[in-house]
Amino acid sequence: AQKITQTQPGMFVQEKEAVTLDCTYDTSDQSYGLFWYKQPSSGEMIFLIYQGSYDEQNATEGRYSLNFQKARKSANLVISASQLGDSAMYFCAMRDFTIQGGYQKVTFGIGTKLQVIP
Amino acid sequence: EAQVTQNPRYLITVTGKKLTVTCSQNMNHEYMSWYRQDPGLGLRQIYYSMNVEVTDKGDVPEGYKVSRKEKRNFPLILESPSPNQTSLYFCASSRASGLSDTQYFGPGTRLTVL
Repeated sequence: AQKITQTQPGMFVQEKEAVTLDCTYDTSDQSYGLFWYKQPSSGEMIFLIYQGSYDEQNATEGRYSLNFQKARKSANLVISASQLGDSAMYFCAMRDFTIQGGYQKVTFGIGTKLQVIP
Repeated sequence: EAQVTQNPRYLITVTGKKLTVTCSQNMNHEYMSWYRQDPGLGLRQIYYSMNVEVTDKGDVPEGYKVSRKEKRNFPLILESPSPNQTSLYFCASSRASGLSDTQYFGPGTRLTVL
């Protein structure tokens, strides 16, 4: 069964420092997509970054980068130069095909709460 | 403006009283999905739909029903709500052309079942 594991319930980071949020995944599929979402205290879900299982290069989007290690099944989010507005819950998610084939299922981790300290 | 809308945003109800949470998207997306978010459990997929009349169970489908009669709408039905269905519910949509298709989320519906 598909599974996403986020082992850091809460993290603190000093403003302007970099921080890494961990994510490991489990799937028997060869094709899958990995996503990170941000959920600020206002509650909306904001897409941050995507990595495909066949992508050889790590994805980057501005201050966000995804450290993808396929053999280890990890997809850690790196936020560089943290800002106060980065304080939020962060969710790792995976999209892959169900056993029946052709159906796309999405699995989320339990999230990591990041707090940026001035 | 591209968006996913959910109604109602907040709902307090009593055990056993049937309710429907509506979800609508204006992006012509094929894929739509419902999630529930609970503290310490993250988001869990309830049901999803690959297209009109094509739905499948997610990880926590018990106690919920869905239908997809039109491409833009994907209502979530609780036939006999119970207190353990008190949660924050999100609807999301995306294209279904590939695994990289990003989901767009609605604003959420906070449901309390007494």
